[in-house]
Amino acid sequence: DTGVSQDPRHKITKRGQNVTFRCDPISEHNRLYWYRQTLGQGPEFLTYFQNEAQLEKSRLLSDRFSAERPKGSFSTLEIQRTEQGDSAMYLCASSLDLGLTDTQYFGPGTRLTVL
Amino acid sequence: AQSVAQPEDQVNVAEGNPLTVKCTYSVSGNPYLFWYVQYPNRGLQFLLKYITGDNLVKGSYGFEAEFNKSQTSFHLKKPSALVSDSALYFCAVRPQSGNTPLVFGKGTRLSVIA
Repeated sequence: DTGVSQDPRHKITKRGQNVTFRCDPISEHNRLYWYRQTLGQGPEFLTYFQNEAQLEKSRLLSDRFSAERPKGSFSTLEIQRTEQGDSAMYLCASSLDLGLTDTQYFGPGTRLTVL
Repeated sequence: AQSVAQPEDQVNVAEGNPLTVKCTYSVSGNPYLFWYVQYPNRGLQFLLKYITGDNLVKGSYGFEAEFNKSQTSFHLKKPSALVSDSALYFCAVRPQSGNTPLVFGKGTRLSVIA
């Protein structure tokens, strides 16, 4: 079991640049989640996929954010025209579909710093 | 809307003593409840969850949690703390009906002192 992996682990960018993060879930997991975590806060839900379908998006996910999971395996999260307020840890989690009782397994996160 | 409160930002306990990390929740209807732990520079690790049935849930690393419906609480406990338990602990909730995402508390930092 290789667990959930995320790449890169750290990203420093200048305001206005675009960034893309990748998440590779646990291989048999059909659900994939994205969260954002800022200092002193718990993870906040951004969006999730069931296989390749994006089923829900938070109001936190502005038009500058887009997520894909083209083949139901890995996922990418892109932020366009980054702002300093986007600085955070971006966490990915995956799970097997057990309805609302699924246990989500988290990756190590990508820490984004926007200068 | 659902919410989770972790009333203590920091909990300090001596090694070998019992520990409790508090969590209270608010949801419409019955809840599913989870505890996760986060070590520095690492992602969240699942500890345990309450789905239904026995109010006392046992999880990883000797942790357990007690669901109390009347007090809307799900406190995390361990009989004897280890220095290696020092970490950030998050409680999370989602209602049993509807399709709402998991909502996390702000976290409680546990410090176990040798």
